[in-house]
Amino acid sequence: DAKTTQPPSMDCAEGRAANLPCNHSTISGNEYVYWYRQIHSQGPQYIIHGLKNNETNEMASLIITEDRKSSTLILPHATLRDTAVYYCIASTGANSKLTFGKGITLSVRP
Amino acid sequence: GAVVSQHPSWVICKSGTSVKIECRSLDFQATTMFWYRQFPKQSLMLMATSNEGSKATYEQGVEKDKFLINHASLTLSTLTVTSAHPEDSSFYICSARLAGSHSEQYFGPGTRLTVT
Repeated sequence: DAKTTQPPSMDCAEGRAANLPCNHSTISGNEYVYWYRQIHSQGPQYIIHGLKNNETNEMASLIITEDRKSSTLILPHATLRDTAVYYCIASTGANSKLTFGKGITLSVRP
Repeated sequence: GAVVSQHPSWVICKSGTSVKIECRSLDFQATTMFWYRQFPKQSLMLMATSNEGSKATYEQGVEKDKFLINHASLTLSTLTVTSAHPEDSSFYICSARLAGSHSEQYFGPGTRLTVT
C-alpha cells in the first residue's frame, strides 16, 4: 500500500471547518483513500473513503485531487468532541490490511 | 449499524497466565477480522488477519504460538495471549470487515491488558 504523509498536528476553533491534509503521491490506481479517527483510549472510528471522486457523508467530506496525489478531509463544523488523532490510509480495500501511520492530532479549541 | 464489541474492556493478570479476548460483530457478518496492538503514544500495529474457518495470518515478528487466534464463526474471533509477560501489556483492538465487500473496517472499543 502507498505511504501517506500527514502533518503531526493542527488545531481549529470550535464551529469552524477543519481541513486535514494528506499526501499520497505514490498511490496506485486501485488504492482507495480511507480516513479513520481515534479518540483517546478508544478504538478507531471509520469516517469516509474514496477512490477518485469527492465523497460526503454525515460526518465529513473527502476531497481528492485530480491526480490523486493528495486529499483533504473536511469536518464542516468542528466540535470539541472531534478532538482526536486522524489517520489517512491508502489501501486496495479487498482483503487488504490497513497500515496506520502516526496520523494527525486535531485539537479543537473552544 | 456495524457495531463491534470486545470483552473484556480491561483485564489484569499475573505473569505466566493466559488471557482470552473476544471480538464480536453484533449486527453484521464478518468473514475477516483483524487484531491490532497499540502501545502508549504509538500508532496501531497489525498483529494478524483472521479469516473465518481458516488459520490466521500473522504479521512478521508476531509469535503465532503466543498469540492464538480463533475465528470460529462469522461473528466471533478470539485472541488468547498465552503465558503473558509484563511486556505484553498493551491496548488490544480488533476490527471486522463486512462480508462480501471491499469496504471499511469497523473497530471494537479495545481491551486494556495489564500483566503484573
